[in-house]
Amino acid sequence: QKEVEQNSGPLSVPEGAIASLNCTYSDRVSQSFFWYRQYSGKSPELIMSIYSNGDKEDGRFTAQLNKASQYVSLLIRDSQPSDSATYLCAVNIGPNAGGTSYGKLTFGQGTILTVHP
Amino acid sequence: KAGVTQTPRYLIKTRGQQVTLSCSPISGHRSVSWYQQTPGQGLQFLFEYFSETQRNKGNFPGRFSGRQFSNSRSEMNVSTLELGDSALYLCASSLAGRVGLAKNIQYFGAGTRLSVL
Repeated sequence: QKEVEQNSGPLSVPEGAIASLNCTYSDRVSQSFFWYRQYSGKSPELIMSIYSNGDKEDGRFTAQLNKASQYVSLLIRDSQPSDSATYLCAVNIGPNAGGTSYGKLTFGQGTILTVHP
Repeated sequence: KAGVTQTPRYLIKTRGQQVTLSCSPISGHRSVSWYQQTPGQGLQFLFEYFSETQRNKGNFPGRFSGRQFSNSRSEMNVSTLELGDSALYLCASSLAGRVGLAKNIQYFGAGTRLSVL
């Protein structure tokens, strides 16, 4: 089992619809969860960070975290063609033997989202 | 405030050569993490440096090494290049606080695209 898995894509939604992206992780000790967006040929750009169970909203984006079920999701409301990109789920997997893992993110394989007019 | 700066942006090398990539973090950020991104393996963690010390290391061979200077700038080196080292190498910086706090959010540079012929 991979440490971080995202729902298989690609995902295609019409403009104005809600896009739902899901991610599961294997390490129960994980504390920090991130969603990055990556346009083709560009570097990852942070969209959302979430640390506590529940929902976190920022504009058209809502991140949801459920630590008991070990999943984190991202909802994009009113999807726009400019949202078309690869979305990467990243998890700060629990501390290593040395007790720190702050600088290490484990990424899912990414979900390609296409929003068509 | 300037973002994470990576140089050079593009590199072409031949097998057996070595290469050095540079990363200047966001001002005030003390942690620098390096990642390799390939179409087949996705984004994989290489290593992280904090206060000139390697704090975390991924599962890469010893040909991959790095260092951090007192001004938090970091370099990574790949020796004896192989064709499979062709990838986008990304550097990310963060304030590197405790896990669970916003200080560990990583911001990525534009990357260095390395092609090994």
